[in-house]
Amino acid sequence: QSVLTQPPSVSAAPGQTVTISCSGSSSSIGTNYVSWYQQLPGTAPKLLIYDNDKRPSGIPDRFSGSKSGTSATLGITGLQAGDEADYYCKTWDSSLSVGIFGGGTKLTVL
Amino acid sequence: QVQLVESGGGVVQPGRSLRLSCAASGYRFSDYGMHWVRQAPGKGLEWVASIWNDGSHENYADSVRGRFSVSRDNSENTLYLQMSSLRVEDTAIYYCTRDLRGNQIDYWGQGTLLTVSS
Repeated sequence: QSVLTQPPSVSAAPGQTVTISCSGSSSSIGTNYVSWYQQLPGTAPKLLIYDNDKRPSGIPDRFSGSKSGTSATLGITGLQAGDEADYYCKTWDSSLSVGIFGGGTKLTVL
Repeated sequence: QVQLVESGGGVVQPGRSLRLSCAASGYRFSDYGMHWVRQAPGKGLEWVASIWNDGSHENYADSVRGRFSVSRDNSENTLYLQMSSLRVEDTAIYYCTRDLRGNQIDYWGQGTLLTVSS
């Protein structure tokens, strides 16, 4: 079974910077694009980052993504109260031919 | 604008079957692959199934393979998820989503809640 590992929670003060890691395998992150999603309470997830590091239109440049080897990272600068949400990484596992999400990271803005 | 509207959720007994539908609009449905993603109450996101734009290829999560079947009607701009032998652990919000490319999701529906309970 393919797994993407994220920290369960991160926190930081307003205006600060936070990073969320996503660790996979050679057949998942190592081979495929990583995307990131923000889920505000009670709402459907929203695409934040695709193709490892690209932002859809309308997503502020405070959000960034990167990938190296079998890991990916979401960065958020200038934290705002409205950034409090659950964040998920996603990729594909080429060996198993399945999609996989990370377990999710709850961001708390102190 | 892209809209994905799920329907068909509800309360069903374990072992029974149900079909979810997703009506797509605002884009050329036949140009895009689609995915179903679910979220159990208080839990994270779980990828369920995907289907190519022309319906020629499907993939399933281990947890639903053999019980769920994804299909689409490109003439009706509709995606389906046929679910059988339902289990309590299938209880979740089911989201219809569009594949951007490379199995990445760009648009999500609002979700439909399935509750499997006796």
